[in-house]
Amino acid sequence: GENVEQHPSTLSVQEGDSAVIKCTYSDSASNYFPWYKQELGKRPQLIIDIRSNVGEKKDQRIAVTLNKTAKHFSLHITETQPEDSAVYFCADLKAAGNKLTFGGGTRVLVKP
Amino acid sequence: DTEVTQTPKHLVMGMTNKKSLKCEQHMGHRAMYWYKQKAKKPPELMFVYSYEKLSINESVPSRFSPECPNSSLLNLHLHALQPEDSALYLCASSQVVSYNEQFFGPGTRLTVL
Repeated sequence: GENVEQHPSTLSVQEGDSAVIKCTYSDSASNYFPWYKQELGKRPQLIIDIRSNVGEKKDQRIAVTLNKTAKHFSLHITETQPEDSAVYFCADLKAAGNKLTFGGGTRVLVKP
Repeated sequence: DTEVTQTPKHLVMGMTNKKSLKCEQHMGHRAMYWYKQKAKKPPELMFVYSYEKLSINESVPSRFSPECPNSSLLNLHLHALQPEDSALYLCASSQVVSYNEQFFGPGTRLTVL
């Protein structure tokens, strides 16, 4: 199959706490794993991505980890702020055809 | 210019109308995409163009007809749509080589009456 499963579907955290979102993919041919943030009424925007030959990547308060053996990848947001409130989508991409498949999304609410 | 633009922002059409959505980018990207996004759902891929040629059609009904007139423009022609086709239609572009970010436009909010 070509599904990307994403959990949890909703996540409420206190400002300053960490948030973790997990995704599982099924296609061994997937080689690129981006994370998009979509605020209400706005376009999806890339916040971080990771290639299949890398296990971890960090950009300030955001990090992504990839376990190719288990076909898992995760987004970690530390020191959450109210402006982190949005829907986050994981995705995987198959090299053939540039086909991006999204997970179901996680609605994150950061409470001040 | 690092943006993808889409027009119109909103579109209301009847089931017998013919309309077109337009997308434009000037980042030199040679891959362009149409996605459909229903409320509280992820974007779903509809079509992929690579070097102005249709490379992926995700079994989209023929009432949606894509067109890529040049490397900067992507159109989606709509005809005889159904109310269930109401959604946000997102255009995106990227370099053709994999591992590259897809840049999304702001979308067209389509309502079919």
